[in-house]
Amino acid sequence: GENVEQHPSTLSVQEGDSAVIKCTYSDSASNYFPWYKQELGKGPQLIIDIRSNVGEKKDQRIAVTLNKTAKHFSLHITETQPEDSAVYFCAASIGGSGNTGKLIFGQGTTLQVKP
Amino acid sequence: SAVISQKPSRDICQRGTSLTIQCQVDSQVTMMFWYRQQPGQSLTLIATANQGSEATYESGFVIDKFPISRPNLTFSTLTVSNMSPEDSSIYLCSVWGAGYYGYTFGSGTRLTVV
Repeated sequence: GENVEQHPSTLSVQEGDSAVIKCTYSDSASNYFPWYKQELGKGPQLIIDIRSNVGEKKDQRIAVTLNKTAKHFSLHITETQPEDSAVYFCAASIGGSGNTGKLIFGQGTTLQVKP
Repeated sequence: SAVISQKPSRDICQRGTSLTIQCQVDSQVTMMFWYRQQPGQSLTLIATANQGSEATYESGFVIDKFPISRPNLTFSTLTVSNMSPEDSSIYLCSVWGAGYYGYTFGSGTRLTVV
C-alpha cells in the first residue's frame, strides 16, 4: 500500500549547525508534501510544504527539496536553535486533486538541538 | 487566523465505556479528517468525515468502533466505542479548506483508558 518512509528517527545537532531529514514516498501520483513540527503536548503545526510542480522552496531558515523522479523529499533547517527541538513529520498526499487528498505520514524524526 | 477547537483536551476513561470527541472549526471547510497518534508514534488516518454521509474509513478502522458524524461544514465528532487500554492515544482532528493554508490540525484529545 501507500507509505512514506522517514529518516533518521532521531537527530542531534549542535546549535548553529544544519539538520536534514529525508523522506521517500511510494505513490507516484502524490503531488503535495507538507512538513509538520510537533512539540510536546501539542498538535502538529505546518512549517513548510511543497507541490509537485516545484523542486525547492525556502522560508527563512527552513527549506524543502523535492525529487519527483526518485520520489523523495527533504527538509533542511539551517542555523538551528534550541527552540527547533521537536518531532518533525513529513507527509504525502494520496488521492484527490491538488492537495485535497488524504495525508500519509512518515514515522517522525526527533530533533534535539544542543545549546 | 482560522481556529480549530477540539474537546475534550484530555480524558481518563474506564474500559468498556465510550467517549465522543468534538471538533469545531470557526469557518466552513471542505475536508475533515480524524487521526490517531499512539504514544511516541506517527499519525495514522482513521477516516475522512463526509458532510451529510457516512465517513470513509481506512483499512483497520471500522464504523462500529469509531463512529463519526459530520452534520455540517464546521463540526464533526469521533466516538471511541467499547474502549480498551489499547485505545489510549492522542486523537486529532484535521481540516482543509478555503481560509486554511494546508492541512491544519487541532491540539488533540489525549485519551487514557484504564
